[in-house]
Amino acid sequence: ILNVEQSPQSLHVQEGDSTNFTCSFPSSNFYALHWYRWETAKSPEALFVMTLNGDEKKKGRISATLNTKEGYSYLYIKGSQPEDSATYLCAYTGRDSGYALNFGKGTSLLVTP
Amino acid sequence: NAGVTQTPKFRVLKTGQSMTLLCAQDMNHEYMYWYRQDPGMGLRLIHYSVGEGTTAKGEVPDGYNVSRLKKQNFLLGLESAAPSQTSVYFCASSYGQLNEQFFGPGTRLTVL
Repeated sequence: ILNVEQSPQSLHVQEGDSTNFTCSFPSSNFYALHWYRWETAKSPEALFVMTLNGDEKKKGRISATLNTKEGYSYLYIKGSQPEDSATYLCAYTGRDSGYALNFGKGTSLLVTP
Repeated sequence: NAGVTQTPKFRVLKTGQSMTLLCAQDMNHEYMYWYRQDPGMGLRLIHYSVGEGTTAKGEVPDGYNVSRLKKQNFLLGLESAAPSQTSVYFCASSYGQLNEQFFGPGTRLTVL
C-alpha cells in the first residue's frame, strides 16, 4: 500500500477566492499522477494525468504542477466559483505497484457565494 | 456512447448470499477496474484487468472474484457476502496505464 496524502482535508472559500491543494506521494519509482474532480452524487471525472517532473497542466481556471523528485503535486483553482464545489482526488501510480492507481482521501472544497 | 455503465445501481443482500456486479464499457478500453468507496477512506482498488482474459489483485481483493471474458465487460462477484462488504462500488475503464480513467455511476451495496 502506497501512501498518498492530500491536504487540507477540507476547505471553505468565498466566491472569487483562489485556492490550492497539495498531494504528496512516494517519489521513488514514479510513473504517473492523476487528478480527479468528484461532485456529490456523481462519479469522479478526470482533470489531469501528469507524468513528467515539472509538468504543468491547465484546464480553464484549474491548473496543476508536478514535482516527482520531492513527491508532490499542487492543484490550483483561480477565482473559485460555487460550481467548483467538489472533492478533488489525486491518485498515484508507480512502477513497483503494478501500475495500479492509489487514491488519496481527497480535499473537499466548498465555495460559497 | 453510454460510457461506463454498472448494474445494478442498488442492492441489499443478507450475510452469506452471493451476487455479481456487472460493469460494461463501450469505449474499447483495454483496462478495467473495480473500486470500493467507504466513508473516510479513499477509493480502494479491489481487482483490475489489463485486457480480455486477464485479471489482477488490487489493494483489497479478499472476498471478491472477477472475470473479464469479454473486453467490454468486467464482472465483480461476491461469493458469500459479509457486512464488511457494505460499500459503494465503482467500476472504471481506461485506454492505457497513462490515460484517464472513466468511472461508472456506482453500485450501492448493503449487506445485512
